[in-house]
Amino acid sequence: DVKVTQSSRYLVKRTGEKVFLECVQDMDHENMFWYRQDPGLGLRLIYFSYDVKMKEKGDIPEGYSVSREKKERFSLILESASTNQTSMYLCASSPTLFSSTDTQYFGPGTRLTVL
Amino acid sequence: DAKTTQPNSMESNEEEPVHLPCNHSTISGTDYIHWYRQLPSQGPEYVIHGLTSNVNNRMASLAIAEDRKSSTLILHRATLRDAAVYYCIDGGNTPLVFGKGTRLSVIA
Repeated sequence: DVKVTQSSRYLVKRTGEKVFLECVQDMDHENMFWYRQDPGLGLRLIYFSYDVKMKEKGDIPEGYSVSREKKERFSLILESASTNQTSMYLCASSPTLFSSTDTQYFGPGTRLTVL
Repeated sequence: DAKTTQPNSMESNEEEPVHLPCNHSTISGTDYIHWYRQLPSQGPEYVIHGLTSNVNNRMASLAIAEDRKSSTLILHRATLRDAAVYYCIDGGNTPLVFGKGTRLSVIA
């Protein structure tokens, strides 16, 4: 079974802190994604990566950056956390981006609270 | 935009079949329909996908209308563990675009 793991299930940070959310997948997938999920807004794509060191902005990249130095690991970085970044963050991976048959595999999520 | 339309919520009795509808009138002829679900406090998980023919797997069945403008996810016997948000997704957008889905409640 594909496994996507996220470094923390719950995280509490203070405004202005630099925050790292880590995601690791064990299926050698080319593609990895970061979403955030807020009540009433569904899942929104922040960034994705289709190869090591490659990244593409999603729908809401402002306030975030990402890093993909190794194929299995995709990090989301909040350079200076703000209260409006309090949310559930979901990481996913997939084998065949840009194909209509692509299937995404999600991690359990990290619930981040910024005080 | 999600490009699919689903009811906000549905309710089912335990051990009865559930039919979750989805409209996708703008889907192109070569794009798959995907269904995912999200259990409480978990990330979404893949359920099923299909193109034209009806599809079955261990989790569910997918019935696709002949004109491909709509589809129905069928859970043959709902259990309490099937209570989740179900997302219908037009595979023409990659990365996948998740709408708000249908929240399914299962009553014991």
